[in-house]
Parts: sequence; structure tokens; C-alpha cells
Amino acid sequence: QVQLVESGGGLVKPGGSLRLSCAASGVTFSDNYKGWIRQAPGRGLEWLSYISGDSGDTDYADSVKGRFTISRDNAQGSLYLQLNSLRVEDTAVYYCATGPQIRTPAYWGQGTLVTVSS
Amino acid sequence: DVVMTQSPLSLPVTLGQPASISCRSTQGLVYNGRYTFLNWFQQRPGQSPRRLIYEVSNRDSGVPDRFSGSGSGTDFTLKISRVEAEDVGVYYCMQGTHWPWTFGQGTKVEI
Repeated sequence: QVQLVESGGGLVKPGGSLRLSCAASGVTFSDNYKGWIRQAPGRGLEWLSYISGDSGDTDYADSVKGRFTISRDNAQGSLYLQLNSLRVEDTAVYYCATGPQIRTPAYWGQGTLVTVSS
Repeated sequence: DVVMTQSPLSLPVTLGQPASISCRSTQGLVYNGRYTFLNWFQQRPGQSPRRLIYEVSNRDSGVPDRFSGSGSGTDFTLKISRVEAEDVGVYYCMQGTHWPWTFGQGTKVEI
């Protein structure tokens, strides 16, 4: 059974930074693309970024390009999202997601809440 | 970006009756002439999204067969043949063909 567990969320001031982590189990971690999706309170879903198994292929949504960085450590079985220059509008629940084909993400974590506020 | 437009945004349903949600994209969703990455997700209150349907019409394991997906090109539909109480939640379509992959606004299904 595939399980994804996010951590690292919290309250941060505008301009601050956070590092989100996603631990995966029940899957060969290095095999698949993985990604991050967020959901602002009471709002819809937004894809932020994805990364290939060997970290050679990544991309970002324009809303976070240059501020967020995705990475992974296959040996540790973990996915990361470094959030810099945070803005109030980055307040959201952040989900990691994966699956045999990342374009149809089959598995999601429970999410971690990031609140950006002064 | 590809815009995904769902309708209706709110769907009052009657138990045992059918329900249907439409999703339209601003661009065709065929990838490499072979795949159509149009997916449907269900999000129950307080939960993470759960994938129901992938590549237009493939039902995920464990998803009741009252859920079905169809469509092509830019028009897609999720149908529930007979709504049950556990189907309450918000349903999202998502395209995984053109980056950034995008979701519809969501359709809230309520009894």
C-alpha cells in the first residue's frame, strides 16, 4: 500500500522560507516522477512542480518559478519542496503526489498546511 | 495555460438518481497522438483528493462501477449512475497533457 506523508508546514512571515518534506512508503521511491500540488483555503487545486526519478527533469508553475525548488533524495525515500520569498497568497495545504504516470497522479499525501502571515 | 471549465459548480442530487458533471478544456488533450490525460478526482470533506478516473474512462481499483468517465477532444463527462450518500464531496477534472497541468474549479455534489 502506497503511503505519502508530508511534513514541514507551519506559520511563516511574508518573505520567509520553509522546507516541506514528503516521505514515501510502499513504492520503489526512485522509480517514479513525483510532484507537489497545493490548495488554498476554500479554493481549488494548483500543480506547482514535478521531478523525475533521477532529478534530471523538473518544471515549475509560473506562480512559484524562481521562489520554490523541488528536489528528492532517493536513498532517503524523500521528496522536498523549498519555499523561499513566501507571500500571503502562498497560504495553502501542500500535497505531494505520485504514481506510475505523474500526469495522472494516483497517490496523494494528507497534506501539510503552510500559513504565510505577519 | 489550459483552462478547465466544469459545470455545474454546484450539483444538488437525489439519492438513487443519476448525476453528470461536464468538463471542457481550452485545448485538445491528446498527448503524443496516443494518450489523453484527463482525470477525475473526488475530494470528500476534510480529505485529500482521491483519483476516480484516469485517461478519460479508466476507473481506479476500488471505485464503484456507478462512476464512469467519457469524452474526447475538449469535452469530457463524469457520470454517477445512482448517487449514494458517500458520493457527497467536490469533484475535479484535471488535464495532465500540457504543463502546467491544471484542474477545473470543482463541482460540489450535495444531497
